[in-house]
Amino acid sequence: KQEVTQIPAALSVPEGENLVLNCSFTDSAIYNLQWFRQDPGKGLTSLLLIQSSQREQTSGRLNASLDKSSGRSTLYIAASQPGDSATYLCAVKGGSEKLVFGKGTKLTVNP
Amino acid sequence: NAGVMQNPRHLVRRRGQEARLRCSPMKGHSHVYWYRQLPEEGLKFMVYLQKENIIDESGMPKERFSAEFPKEGPSILRIQQVVRGDSAAYFCASSPQSDSNEQFFGPGTRLTVL
Repeated sequence: KQEVTQIPAALSVPEGENLVLNCSFTDSAIYNLQWFRQDPGKGLTSLLLIQSSQREQTSGRLNASLDKSSGRSTLYIAASQPGDSATYLCAVKGGSEKLVFGKGTKLTVNP
Repeated sequence: NAGVMQNPRHLVRRRGQEARLRCSPMKGHSHVYWYRQLPEEGLKFMVYLQKENIIDESGMPKERFSAEFPKEGPSILRIQQVVRGDSAAYFCASSPQSDSNEQFFGPGTRLTVL
């Protein structure tokens, strides 16, 4: 059974810092991995999708890496801004069609 | 191209009533997924449907919950005789095909059971 863990559960940083969010999964047989952002009381916004054959994806100040063999992914946020404050969710898609989610990392960027 | 649409956005029901949650996938998407997010919990898969077919319902509670995705119209998640423990955010996602494709999420329906 696939399990996804995100560390840390919460993170508070000053504006401008570069930061890394971690995601680990127990079964390396995945099709892809997605990083999402969720604002309080809102839906999920897809940030980056990494296919199993890829090592990393970049979008603006965000960079996500994937190491399938070790069951790890990281989301790197450069030059953080208060607007980046949200909960960041990692989800993996395995042999079935469902996404298995971690519980998220709640990020607060202080001005 | 409009995103995934869900309605209502907020739904309040008393214990014992029925709740119907609707999801319209993105245009061209034929795969629909429902997830539930309980307070302080991560999102959990409930059911995966294609048009007129339930493909995987391994995450659905055995009683009171059902889902459909008819040939015409939105996908419906139906909860009969709701209880307080059903209070949660219910999210729908859609994708154009399976395997490696991305799932796009709707804004969710927040169900409160009084």
